[in-house]
Amino acid sequence: ETGVTQSPTHLIKTRGQQVTLRCSSQSGHNTVSWYQQALGQGPQFIFQYYREEENGRGNFPPRFSGLQFPNYSSELNVNALELDDSALYLCASRPTGSNTGELFFGEGSRLTVL
Amino acid sequence: GESVGLHLPTLSVQEGDNSIINCAYSNSASDYFIWYKQESGKGPQFIIDIRSNMDKRQGQRVTVLLNKTVKHLSLQIAATQPGDSAVYFCAENISGGSYIPTFGRGTSLIVHP
Repeated sequence: ETGVTQSPTHLIKTRGQQVTLRCSSQSGHNTVSWYQQALGQGPQFIFQYYREEENGRGNFPPRFSGLQFPNYSSELNVNALELDDSALYLCASRPTGSNTGELFFGEGSRLTVL
Repeated sequence: GESVGLHLPTLSVQEGDNSIINCAYSNSASDYFIWYKQESGKGPQFIIDIRSNMDKRQGQRVTVLLNKTVKHLSLQIAATQPGDSAVYFCAENISGGSYIPTFGRGTSLIVHP
C-alpha cells in the first residue's frame, strides 16, 4: 500500500465534456504529480504541485489543470475532452524532505472518452 | 529496445531463472535513474534507484547496472518468481531539480511456472 488513493477508479465521458479526478496522499507528502498513461506506454508527466503551487509542467495543453489542497489532496481537471485523452491517470506523491526521487503512486483513474 | 504500435517489448522466462531487463535512456544529462514495477491494474511501484556516480547497485534479488558511456541501464532479477510478472519501467531524472522523471516505454516480464 502506497497510501495514495484515487477516485473514481473508472469513468466514461463523451467528447467535449469536462472531468475532475481526485487524489489523496499521505500526511507529510507535500509534493504531488499527475501522469497520463496511454495503453502500452509509460507514464507521461502532466504537472507537479508543491505546497499548493504548480512547480513543473509537461507537454500538455492548458485544458489540463490542477489544484492541490492543504489536506494533501489534489485534483486533475481536463476540459473539452478529446478521444485521445482516454488513458489511465496516475497520481503520485513524494514525502517532504525526501532526498530520493521515489514516487508513491495510486492505482489510477481509467478514463474512457467516447 | 523500443517497438512500434501497442506491443510492449516482452521477456518470457521460466520460474527460477534470472531475468535481465534492458533500458536505453536518451538524455546525457540524466544522472539519477529509477526502476519501477507495474502490475496489472495497479500504479507503478519503486524497485531500486541508482545515481550516476555508481555503476552497480544491489537490492533484494535485484541488481541495477548503469553504463553511462552507452546510456544503458539494466535490471537483473535473480530467481524470478511468478509474482515478478509485471511491466518494468526505467525512469531517468536530472537531480538537483524537482525529481520529475521521464519514463521509458516499459518491458513486460512474463514468468512461467
